[in-house]
Amino acid sequence: AQSVTQPDIHITVSEGASLELRCNYSYGATPYLFWYVQSPGQGLQLLLKYFSGDTLVQGIKGFEAEFKRSQSSFNLRKPSVHWSDAAEYFCAVGLNAGKSTFGDGTTLTVKP
Amino acid sequence: DAGVTQSPTHLIKTRGQHVTLRCSPISGHKSVSWYQQVLGQGPQFIFQYYEKEERGRGNFPDRFSARQFPNYSSELNVNALLLGDSALYLCASRETVLNEKLFFGSGTQLSVL
Repeated sequence: AQSVTQPDIHITVSEGASLELRCNYSYGATPYLFWYVQSPGQGLQLLLKYFSGDTLVQGIKGFEAEFKRSQSSFNLRKPSVHWSDAAEYFCAVGLNAGKSTFGDGTTLTVKP
Repeated sequence: DAGVTQSPTHLIKTRGQHVTLRCSPISGHKSVSWYQQVLGQGPQFIFQYYEKEERGRGNFPDRFSARQFPNYSSELNVNALLLGDSALYLCASRETVLNEKLFFGSGTQLSVL
């Protein structure tokens, strides 16, 4: 059965500092991998996705993620965090976007 | 352009009641998915529909059902509500089942008392 683990429930970074959110997955085949962001009271917004090709994927809002098959990881990074990045971030995997398995999320707090 | 719209935004029901949640996808999107998000957890897949046909079902009891209409809007029905059904129900749409960009609505917050 597929599963997604986001080891960090809550992360706090200072504005302007770099960010890395971790995601590990378990899946029988090569899945699609996604990162979503959810602001309070909002639905989820897709940041980026990966299926094949270059293992470093660029997304919206200055985010990128790196796929490492040997580690079953798909970590999300941003070089310089802005206060508006404070939100909850979800990693998801699936054979298609509509039937994805999500992790339990990482809440990001940004200190001024 | 309008995004994915869901109604109602909030709903309070009592145990044993029935509820219907509605979703209008983005214009031109033919696939709709439903997710349940319990507080403190990630969304959990319930159903996927494409061209009015069910294309996938998650690990939910038969009390949960859904359908998609000719205009591609969708309803999620839950019978015999339990306290544990309290959650944010999210609808998401995409153009086709081959398109991997999913657009989410803001959800319906269901409280079961």
